[in-house]
Amino acid sequence: DTAVSQTPKYLVTQMGNDKSIKCEQNLGHDTMYWYKQDSKKFLKIMFSYNNKELIINETVPNRFSPKSPDKAHLNLHINSLELGDSAVYFCASSQVGGSEQFFGPGTRLTVL
Amino acid sequence: GDSVTQMEGPVTLSEEAFLTINCTYTATGYPSLFWYVQYPGEGLQLLLKATKADDKGSNKGFEATYRKETTSFHLEKGSVQVSDSAVYFCALYGGATNKLIFGTGTLLAVQP
Repeated sequence: DTAVSQTPKYLVTQMGNDKSIKCEQNLGHDTMYWYKQDSKKFLKIMFSYNNKELIINETVPNRFSPKSPDKAHLNLHINSLELGDSAVYFCASSQVGGSEQFFGPGTRLTVL
Repeated sequence: GDSVTQMEGPVTLSEEAFLTINCTYTATGYPSLFWYVQYPGEGLQLLLKATKADDKGSNKGFEATYRKETTSFHLEKGSVQVSDSAVYFCALYGGATNKLIFGTGTLLAVQP
């Protein structure tokens, strides 16, 4: 199926740990994004990559580091996890400059 | 900066009732406007869009008209079903930044 996929779907971990979330899209898009959705469902963009190049970097703690090995993949690595990092993280993709974005199913991160 | 304001939820309706979810925006220039839907436990899906003033987006019985004079993009459906229960997000793209800016989401609960 053509889609945006994320792994894992659920991630439960202790404070202070380091974890990664992976995202892959097979839609042939050039641009990929990470969004954070808090407990009140508010969605905010974190990062955007175009063809492996970082183009949007919102005010996000530098414990969060995105990595794009190729234009079909955008991973999110989080160091020294904190309680406030608990949220649902969504990956998305679009054509270059495309406003129509396709979202993955989300990764629910719980930090204990 | 650019922003989107949606009516607070939850909105609770009986099946076959008429739905309106209000959305207004503030933006520089001429953004594109979107409605996304998030079903429980899933990622966001594009429901409909409009790219210029007076355009009407429609899909699955839902409609919204881009009203520049009132800076609004209200979502309507003539007869809701239980399967429409979800969180609905209004969003804009363009304006001052090439980012998708979301409203806070409106939870719709349709009862049989």
